[in-house]
Amino acid sequence: GEDVEQSLFLSVREGDSSVINCTYTDSSSTYLYWYKQEPGAGLQLLTYIFSNMDMKQDQRLTVLLNKKDKHLSLRIADTQTGDSAIYFCAESADAGNMLTFGGGTRLMVKP
Amino acid sequence: EAGVAQSPRYKIIEKRQSVAFWCNPISGHATLYWYQQILGQGPKLLIQFQNNGVVDDSQLPKDRFSAERLKGVDSTLKIQPAKLEDSAVYLCASSDGGYGYGYTFGSGTRLTVV
Repeated sequence: GEDVEQSLFLSVREGDSSVINCTYTDSSSTYLYWYKQEPGAGLQLLTYIFSNMDMKQDQRLTVLLNKKDKHLSLRIADTQTGDSAIYFCAESADAGNMLTFGGGTRLMVKP
Repeated sequence: EAGVAQSPRYKIIEKRQSVAFWCNPISGHATLYWYQQILGQGPKLLIQFQNNGVVDDSQLPKDRFSAERLKGVDSTLKIQPAKLEDSAVYLCASSDGGYGYGYTFGSGTRLTVV
């Protein structure tokens, strides 16, 4: 079945850029997403990218997709303490629109 | 627009007891999902409804879990009897049918089985 993998933890200093990486196995993934989860809260969609795109930029967020290597990354520019959260990569395959999530990357931003 | 409402927010039960969770999706959203998120893991789909019909319940442990979406609006997820490994956050989401960017998640119900 589909598999989505992420590193567990990332620590950065406030003002630096953060890069969170994700790999997936399903070559039929149509859409790839980044979600943010703060403690005790639900999942907030940050951004998404279509599989026929290489890059998408949205304010401080840049998503890069390498479809050949099945690698997705999320870059957060000028990282702030409010960006501290768990970030989930997810993919949606052609068969319906259920989401398959990675295990999440905990981002810690130090002042 | 009101978000996806879930209740209760927290529930503590003993193993072998039953529990039910409720979800009210965004008005007009035809698709409703229940996800289970075990601590330290990403959410995993339990069941997907389209209106009041089941689209995918392949990951639902049917010997103990059941879900329904009467009239294609609210949904209830039940566990009977609960096991320790059912401790998790149960997330409900609804969608207008688009490819995931139309998803809205509720805040979830945190279940602790002791």
